[in-house]
Amino acid sequence: KNEVEQSPQNLTAQEGEFITINCSYSVGISALHWLQQHPGGGIVSLFMLSSGKKKHGRLIATINIQEKHSSLHITASHPRDSAVYICAVFRANAGGTSYGKLTFGQGTILTVHP
Amino acid sequence: DAGVTQSPTHLIKTRGQHVTLRCSPISGHKSVSWYQQVLGQGPQFIFQYYEKEERGRGNFPDRFSARQFPNYSSELNVNALLLGDSALYLCASSILAGAGNEQFFGPGTRLTVL
Repeated sequence: KNEVEQSPQNLTAQEGEFITINCSYSVGISALHWLQQHPGGGIVSLFMLSSGKKKHGRLIATINIQEKHSSLHITASHPRDSAVYICAVFRANAGGTSYGKLTFGQGTILTVHP
Repeated sequence: DAGVTQSPTHLIKTRGQHVTLRCSPISGHKSVSWYQQVLGQGPQFIFQYYEKEERGRGNFPDRFSARQFPNYSSELNVNALLLGDSALYLCASSILAGAGNEQFFGPGTRLTVL
């Protein structure tokens, strides 16, 4: 079982819909990244959070440390939001060869239709 | 300010050859991390460098090596290329090394091994 699991793996929505992508992890973490990857490969950091909630434009990220769960919400989705959304974690107390290592989920492929 | 830059953007090699990939971090960032992303999977951690020293290493064979220069740019070298090394190689920079330091990703180098 992967240390970081995302759901759903694929998500199709109509423009304007509210979207939720979930990330669950099985290890203690110090912080969690939400990342966006467009076709062609480049990855953009959307949020890094270790507690609570962050909002940027139409994007909202929440994390519940006790439940080892984070969600990424997109309000009023738009076709340009179509991308792969990836959750990645920094493990708590990572040292030695794992120092600074990000562990990634498998990604959620989001397609938003006009 | 320029983001993380990587060169080349695409590369085709044959089995047994070696390859050098380059990364320039965001100005002021002292740490560089390298990731390998095989098609359809999430990125896997290869190395993290900070102040020219290796601070973290993933589960990759010794054919993979890297270094960081005084200007904080970095090279990833892969020797004796195998077909399975075909992937997108991502570089990420952060101000400091270690967990909890937000990483900013470059566009990647797509390596194809024939």
